[in-house]
Amino acid sequence: QQPVQSPQAVILREGEDAVINCSSSKALYSVHWYRQKHGEAPVFLMILLKGGEQKGHDKISASFNEKKQQSSLYLTASQLSYSGTYFCGTPYSSASKIIFGSGTRLSIRP
Amino acid sequence: SQTIHQWPATLVQPVGSPLSLECTVEGTSNPNLYWYRQAAGRGLQLLFYSVGIGQISSEVPQNLSASRPQDRQFILSSKKLLLSDSGFYLCAWSPTGGWANVLTFGAGSRLTVL
Repeated sequence: QQPVQSPQAVILREGEDAVINCSSSKALYSVHWYRQKHGEAPVFLMILLKGGEQKGHDKISASFNEKKQQSSLYLTASQLSYSGTYFCGTPYSSASKIIFGSGTRLSIRP
Repeated sequence: SQTIHQWPATLVQPVGSPLSLECTVEGTSNPNLYWYRQAAGRGLQLLFYSVGIGQISSEVPQNLSASRPQDRQFILSSKKLLLSDSGFYLCAWSPTGGWANVLTFGAGSRLTVL
């Protein structure tokens, strides 16, 4: 019953845009986004708490559609440093139980 | 500021041997604590989480167990390791309360079972 992420993998050239989607069969109360570099621990990017909320940091932004039970992460004008695996996470059945999607591997080529 | 420590960073263990991974958090009190496992090239699987001392929720029926002997200490154990226990184990903490439980991960422990 984990969130479903799509696509599973994306290959971009530097400067191109990408969208990563996260959907759930259950109601979403909040959505977390994390990025994991190879061999490292995941690092928090942003959290969305309200339906309709949008957030941005540098050229990475996200939206949260509570009714559709989905969230999307937007990477604009991608940089080499954006490479990694992106995970969405959400509380399931309790605020403390955080379940993650299977991840989206993003590769950026010069 | 809060910091999370996890050790050992790497270990190689034979099948059937015991396991103990330890995690401690500094700079906060009564955190939520988590153990996740990541198989090679895979996602983050929640193993255990704890909202307080002695309160452990198990998500995966495995030969693994977790304990929280102190407020900011979380231990992952096994009496007999299986080959399938190999992976990258991540401890994490979050503040308590509400839906904004942002996770901060430790550096991870890479376990290879031979």
